[in-house]
Amino acid sequence: DVKVTQSSRYLVKRTGEKVFLECVQDMDHENMFWYRQDPGLGLRLIYFSYDVKMKEKGDIPEGYSVSREKKERFSLILESASTNQTSMYLCASSRNRDHRETQYFGPGTRLLVL
Amino acid sequence: QQQVKQSPQSLIVQKGGISIINCAYENTAFDYFPWYQQFPGKGPALLIAIRPDVSEKKEGRFTISFNKSAKQFSLHIMDSQPGDSATYFCAASRVNQFYFGTGTSLTVIP
Repeated sequence: DVKVTQSSRYLVKRTGEKVFLECVQDMDHENMFWYRQDPGLGLRLIYFSYDVKMKEKGDIPEGYSVSREKKERFSLILESASTNQTSMYLCASSRNRDHRETQYFGPGTRLLVL
Repeated sequence: QQQVKQSPQSLIVQKGGISIINCAYENTAFDYFPWYQQFPGKGPALLIAIRPDVSEKKEGRFTISFNKSAKQFSLHIMDSQPGDSATYFCAASRVNQFYFGTGTSLTVIP
């Protein structure tokens, strides 16, 4: 079974802090994704990566950056957290770059920015 | 602008009934339409998916109906069970583009 793990289930940070969200997948998947999930807005793609050190902007990349130094690990970085970044963050991975491949999601990190 | 519009926002169905969730899209370049199911405290998981070259796909109690000319697709859950209570997301994608609907919270009452 594919397993996607996220470093924290809950996180509380202060405005202006730098925040790191970590995601690890154990199935040698090429593609990894970061989404945020908000009530009434569904899932929105922030960034995705199809290879080590590669990244592509999704729909809402502003205020975020990502890092993929190893194939299995994809990090989401909030350079200076703001209250409007309070959300549920979901990481996903898929086998390869084919957009029709199943995305496997982690359990999510609920981030509260005070 | 919402690329994929989903309705209803919430749905309550009696056990044994049919649950229907609808989605519409604008971009005719989308060529893959999956549905994801999410239980509380879990990430979404793929339920069923369809490509636009077919009008219907069935897997067990779950059926996707696809209307290419109307740019609409829907999920039908037959014989709905309390264990189907979850949030359902439709999605649409093409190369390097992935869009999800806003979600439907389904409650199946015994």
